[in-house]
Amino acid sequence: DVVLTQSPATLSVTPGERISLSCRASESVDTYLHWYQQKPNESPRLLIKYASQSISGIPSRFSGSGSGTDFTLSINGVELEDLSIYYCQQGNSLPYTFGAGTKLELK
Amino acid sequence: QVTLKESGPGILQPSQTLSLTCTFSGFSLSTYGMGVGWIRQPSGKGLEWLANIWWDDDKYYNPSLKNRLTISKDTSNNQAFLKITNVDTADTATYYCARFTIAAIGVMDAWGQGASVTVSS
Repeated sequence: DVVLTQSPATLSVTPGERISLSCRASESVDTYLHWYQQKPNESPRLLIKYASQSISGIPSRFSGSGSGTDFTLSINGVELEDLSIYYCQQGNSLPYTFGAGTKLELK
Repeated sequence: QVTLKESGPGILQPSQTLSLTCTFSGFSLSTYGMGVGWIRQPSGKGLEWLANIWWDDDKYYNPSLKNRLTISKDTSNNQAFLKITNVDTADTATYYCARFTIAAIGVMDAWGQGASVTVSS
């Protein structure tokens, strides 16, 4: 199975700052890497697909980059509503796997 | 608008069979390229993909639970189902269903609200 390692586990943020979250795969997943946001007591929501493709209805401050084994989710100007857990997920091979998540908290 | 909603027993005892239903709208599992999958999340923990079923009745399972899982569908009623046999406390989790499409393999582009399942004696 492909293991996805997300870092950091927790990130303390100040509204307005630009942040980057990392996801590293144990083997190449090409660009079959997707990002989800999960707010407290809600189901996950697709944020970015195929490493960098935007999703309709998602604010433009969210962007993704990377290929192969190293990926980054960036938020350009964090807002309070972004305080959530962010998961990466690979769709390159079965079984689909998720990272353990990065939790954004208020500094 | 695509919506999905999970339903299940809430609580069951060890060794029983867990039966979950996903009722969806906004797409059809008889349409080329559509699929539904199941994902679970123990409280306070991460996400685990369990199984997928596609419009053509192709089915895929997570090998870690494969012998215990059965996924199926009822296209006329826009429902998908998951059964997990011989449950134990480790199966306590929130169970989500999500839509997949062949146009974006591996992408879970819409999720249900989740069904909480507790396994306890």
